[in-house]
Amino acid sequence: GNSVTQMEGPVTLSEEAFLTINCTYTATGYPSLFWYVQYPGEGLQLLLKATKADDKGSNKGFEATYRKETTSFHLEKGSVQVSDSAVYFCALRSNDYKLSFGAGTTVTVRA
Amino acid sequence: DTAVSQTPKYLVTQMGNDKSIKCEQNLGHDTMYWYKQDSKKFLKIMFSYNNKELIINETVPNRFSPKSPDKAHLNLHINSLELGDSAVYFCASSRNALAGTETQYFGPGTRLLVL
Repeated sequence: GNSVTQMEGPVTLSEEAFLTINCTYTATGYPSLFWYVQYPGEGLQLLLKATKADDKGSNKGFEATYRKETTSFHLEKGSVQVSDSAVYFCALRSNDYKLSFGAGTTVTVRA
Repeated sequence: DTAVSQTPKYLVTQMGNDKSIKCEQNLGHDTMYWYKQDSKKFLKIMFSYNNKELIINETVPNRFSPKSPDKAHLNLHINSLELGDSAVYFCASSRNALAGTETQYFGPGTRLLVL
């Protein structure tokens, strides 16, 4: 079956630090990959996505590249802000119409 | 302009009660979903409807029954509530799950606490 494994948190950083959240997946077929973000007390929002190998998704300074050879979709941001404090979810969607989520990584950015 | 809305936002109730959560989307999407998020933030799909037809039905107790009166609404009814049902329930929608891979849009969540 499909599954997503992402690095466990919580992650605490200082402002302007570099952020990486690792995500690897197992899937049949050719999945699409997503990063969703959940700010405190809110629902999930799509942060970025990639639908095929070597695609790079980017948004709000975040980037992730779909690496088929390593089955990975790591999220990176070069300089985080306090407003980036949230829970980040890696997810995949294959041919069964379902989004399979990772366990979520809580990121706290301190001023 | 709220894209995916849920009511109520908070729900506190006693064990054994029956309750409903409502979801509406004004995006013109064909597919809607219910997810459960537990206290550790883990998210799991429960159900999905496409044009009022059930397309995903995960292993959930049959105390949970979804109902889609039209493609803009997907309600979740829960019978005989148990302590373990306490969680945040998210509704989501997407253009058409059967047409391929695409983005899901989430509602703000309903925080259910069973006492």
